[in-house]
Amino acid sequence: DTEVTQTPKHLVMGMTNKKSLKCEQHMGHRAMYWYKQKAKKPPELMFVYSYEKLSINESVPSRFSPECPNSSLLNLHLHALQPEDSALYLCASSQESGLRYEQYFGPGTRLTVT
Amino acid sequence: AQTVTQSQPEMSVQEAETVTLSCTYDTSESDYYLFWYKQPPSRQMILVIRQEAYKQQNATENRFSVNFQKAAKSFSLKISDSQLGDAAMYFCAYYRVSNYQLIWGAGTKLIIKP
Repeated sequence: DTEVTQTPKHLVMGMTNKKSLKCEQHMGHRAMYWYKQKAKKPPELMFVYSYEKLSINESVPSRFSPECPNSSLLNLHLHALQPEDSALYLCASSQESGLRYEQYFGPGTRLTVT
Repeated sequence: AQTVTQSQPEMSVQEAETVTLSCTYDTSESDYYLFWYKQPPSRQMILVIRQEAYKQQNATENRFSVNFQKAAKSFSLKISDSQLGDAAMYFCAYYRVSNYQLIWGAGTKLIIKP
């Protein structure tokens, strides 16, 4: 089963709200990723978790806070977002974060910040 | 620094015909992976095909094949017998070993004409 699930599918939030995005995989993968994707653009890497530890933070603003409670679950906590943060947020996982393992993507959460 | 270039923002092909999407990349590394990902409208990003740089043989997955020219740093995707379901954004991606990061091309929108 090569499935990565994400909830919610859509989210509308105000700039003062706090919300969370959730990502889950049951493939035994040990690396998980958060990406931000604007329309008609490629994904931009935000965070990488390897063995439940944050290994890469691509200079993402602190209003985005990732969390990896266990090897199957990845959260992205959102607080005080800006309208320009509206985008599709993709979660992905791979067997390892090393060379030979392709990433499997979830369907994404479409976020609108009002 | 590694870069990935997709020079065709949009391509169209008649159903059942063959189309080739181009991708070039720049790197000084000798060992790496290349991927083609497909993202249908409002749907999930999925892996189409991957190529290991150390393999001379071109990868093939059913109707999808690549023409990997390592010296020329070229990695084109050929889709044979195009089907309506092939309509999507196609992203070429290079896997950067040093920080486990995918470097993405800008994408090519493929339109299938019935």
